[in-house]
Amino acid sequence: KAGVTQTPRYLIKTRGQQVTLSCSPISGHRSVSWYQQTPGQGLQFLFEYFSETQRNKGNFPGRFSGRQFSNSRSEMNVSTLELGDSALYLCASSAAGSYGEQYFGPGTRLTVT
Amino acid sequence: TQLLEQSPQFLSIQEGENLTVYCNSSSVFSSLQWYRQEPGEGPVLLVTVVTGGEVKKLKRLTFQFGDARKDSSLHITAAQTGDTGLYLCAGGVGAAGNKLTFGGGTRVLVKP
Repeated sequence: KAGVTQTPRYLIKTRGQQVTLSCSPISGHRSVSWYQQTPGQGLQFLFEYFSETQRNKGNFPGRFSGRQFSNSRSEMNVSTLELGDSALYLCASSAAGSYGEQYFGPGTRLTVT
Repeated sequence: TQLLEQSPQFLSIQEGENLTVYCNSSSVFSSLQWYRQEPGEGPVLLVTVVTGGEVKKLKRLTFQFGDARKDSSLHITAAQTGDTGLYLCAGGVGAAGNKLTFGGGTRVLVKP
């Protein structure tokens, strides 16, 4: 099976802009989660989607949003970018009936200038 | 809020030495997972432990889940340079969904 894919891999944006990141999960996986990874805060959970519905949400402001499509592909959007949003954004998919084991993509490196 | 603390934060050893990484919490988890992340890549799942006191071995890696399911350890025997990476533990609480809590990570450097 193909792994989790994320596009784009690298992105440079200016403060105040918005950005959309895309994730394609492993075939058959219906759960998609998004994480933000920074040197200072580590890996932090953003949200999880399952069958096109947000099932869990982390403690991030409303500028961070996501959605999932009927084919399980997911997108996350960050509006009004701030310098502190610079991070590696990781998408992970998980199979139903598991203990939530995450299969991560390579991530999108976002730099906000 | 559930927290997972990993120690040490950084470990530098020579090839052939042993090492242990700890993952501790005051909360009970229904499952505990370990991941390894290499630069420029996403974390890769190594193991999942779900039963208190459980021990799992993966070649030179030994994982243990505490009896009270609040802590875990990862022991590497005769480390190799290929073991270099960021090791992350993550706890799940078994509620609907996959909201995992990740530890801060332990960066391991195995020198030749």
